[in-house]
Amino acid sequence: KQEVTQIPAALSVPEGENLVLNCSFTDSAIYNLQWFRQDPGKGLTSLLLIQSSQREQTSGRLNASLDKSSGRSTLYIAASQPGDSATYLCAVRRYNNDMRFGAGTRLTVKP
Amino acid sequence: EAGVTQFPSHSVIEKGQTVTLRCDPISGHDNLYWYRRVMGKEIKFLLHFVKESKQDESGMPNNRFLAERTGGTYSTLKVQPAELEDSGVYFCASSQVGGPPYNEQFFGPGTRLTVL
Repeated sequence: KQEVTQIPAALSVPEGENLVLNCSFTDSAIYNLQWFRQDPGKGLTSLLLIQSSQREQTSGRLNASLDKSSGRSTLYIAASQPGDSATYLCAVRRYNNDMRFGAGTRLTVKP
Repeated sequence: EAGVTQFPSHSVIEKGQTVTLRCDPISGHDNLYWYRRVMGKEIKFLLHFVKESKQDESGMPNNRFLAERTGGTYSTLKVQPAELEDSGVYFCASSQVGGPPYNEQFFGPGTRLTVL
């Protein structure tokens, strides 16, 4: 059974700091891995999707890496801003289509 | 292009009542998924439609939950009778059929269900 763990559960940093969010999964037979952002009371916004054959994806100040063999992914956020404050979710998709989510990391960026 | 929409955004009902949630996927997306997040837990898969057919309903918690997708367009998720532990946020997602990048799942804003 696939289990997804995100560390840390919460993180508070000053504005401008670079930070790394971690995601680990127990079954390396994944189809893809996706990072989402969720703002309070809002839906899920897709940030980056990494196919199983890829090692990283970049979008603006975000960079996500994937190491399937070790069951790990990281989301790197450069030069953090108060607007980055949200809950970040990692989800792995199996070949039968359903996605397994981590519990999320709640990020607070202080001005 | 409109994204995935869900209705209502918030529903408050009493234990024992019935509630129906609706999801309208992105036009042309044959895959439709339901997920939910109950308090303090991670988002969990409920079921997957391909057009009007249930492809995988392994995540449905019990027979009080009934999902339909008549005509292969919008989908409804009915909870009857609702229990306190059903409270949470119900998300819908849709995707095209096919390999990457077409099969990326796009999520709706969710319906927050509160059972009193």
